[in-house]
Amino acid sequence: GDSVTQMEGPVTLSEEAFLTINCTYTATGYPSLFWYVQYPGEGLQLLLKATKADDKGSNKGFEATYRKETTSFHLEKGSVQVSDSAVYFCALSYSSASKIIFGSGTRLSIRP
Amino acid sequence: DTGVSQDPRHKITKRGQNVTFRCDPISEHNRLYWYRQTLGQGPEFLTYFQNEAQLEKSRLLSDRFSAERPKGSFSTLEIQRTEQGDSAMYLCASSSEEGRDRPQHFGDGTRLSIL
Repeated sequence: GDSVTQMEGPVTLSEEAFLTINCTYTATGYPSLFWYVQYPGEGLQLLLKATKADDKGSNKGFEATYRKETTSFHLEKGSVQVSDSAVYFCALSYSSASKIIFGSGTRLSIRP
Repeated sequence: DTGVSQDPRHKITKRGQNVTFRCDPISEHNRLYWYRQTLGQGPEFLTYFQNEAQLEKSRLLSDRFSAERPKGSFSTLEIQRTEQGDSAMYLCASSSEEGRDRPQHFGDGTRLSIL
């Protein structure tokens, strides 16, 4: 079945460091890919998405590129801030009417 | 857009009791989803409604679980004869049918603790 695997946390970085959170997926078809973020005490929010191969999603300085050949959707940011501290979930879905399949989440902590 | 609202935020109950959670979706959204999230894991899909019709149910949704959306607006999720393993965060999400790839908007969840 379909699944999402992401790097285990926690990930701890200093402010202004470069961030990569790895995500790979297994899919029987051609899903859309997502990164969701959960800030402390808040609900899940969509961070970015990509709907087809080679698409790049971006938001708030974060980027991820849909790589069909490596079945990956790694999240990157060039310079992290303390306010980026949160749990990040990689996910896939086949349509807006379909369930979302989430990875297990990666906790990110940024030191000032 | 007032967001997806869930009630209660926290529920503590003894094993064997019944509990019911409520979800109010964003008003113009006709699709509604329930997920369960255990500690350290990502959310797992439970069930999906389009208007009042329950269109998909996960194998995670045992006979003790029932979800309804009687008028196509708010939804309830009931768990009967709760067990320790039911302790989790129960998340509701809603989305619109209009347009391609409308994202699911999540509520803050109901945290269930079974004593």
